Amino acid sequence: AQSVAQPEDQVNVAEGNPLTVKCTYSVSGNPYLFWYVQYPNRGLQFLLKYITGDNLVKGSYGFEAEFNKSQTSFHLKKPSALVSDSALYFCAVRDLRQTGANNLFFGTGTRLTVIP
Amino acid sequence: DAGVIQSPRHEVTEMGQEVTLRCKPISGHNSLFWYRQTMMRGLELLIYFNNNVPIDDSGMPEDRFSAKMPNASFSTLKIQPSEPRDSAVYFCASSSSGGSNQPQHFGDGTRLSIL
Repeated sequence: AQSVAQPEDQVNVAEGNPLTVKCTYSVSGNPYLFWYVQYPNRGLQFLLKYITGDNLVKGSYGFEAEFNKSQTSFHLKKPSALVSDSALYFCAVRDLRQTGANNLFFGTGTRLTVIP
Repeated sequence: DAGVIQSPRHEVTEMGQEVTLRCKPISGHNSLFWYRQTMMRGLELLIYFNNNVPIDDSGMPEDRFSAKMPNASFSTLKIQPSEPRDSAVYFCASSSSGGSNQPQHFGDGTRLSIL
């Protein structure tokens, strides 16, 4: 079963508008959650993470994400989108119940396009 | 600080040939990961090492694929013989020993095309 899901393959938003990229997870307990961004011809870059504490996490480039345990979600948000935010975004969850083997699972990615 | 360094950035070769991809992790990181990315299958973990020891190679597609980490600063992923379906972008990533709350740092990948 998928541990993490990104329900939207593509998100389009106008420049200056708020953006949201959705992520839900299906790991029980208290998982660690991450967001990464991938620009063309580049590797994934770490944006932010939730480990514990405040449910609202702030990261690079003005992005933030809100951990919602009741909805098992970790949506990525930004108040005002820039054209330069156009990229592929990956959510990842670390399932702490799994030890020894790999326990970090990536979503399928959401392509964000910011329209000028 | 130098990030994860991969070489070559691009590789084009004919099927049947041996391909070797190289990775230099960030100094001080003790975990290293090899991923493959394609449009069809997305991002797939192939293998990961901890302290130079392979921990999980369940993602290695078949015996044609092998990976080594002879020391803390170098790893290789080898495909022999290569096939057209191996065409993909291969990423190496590393992370530190700070526990599982540490993010992975990715190189910029090797774009492999098998003709």
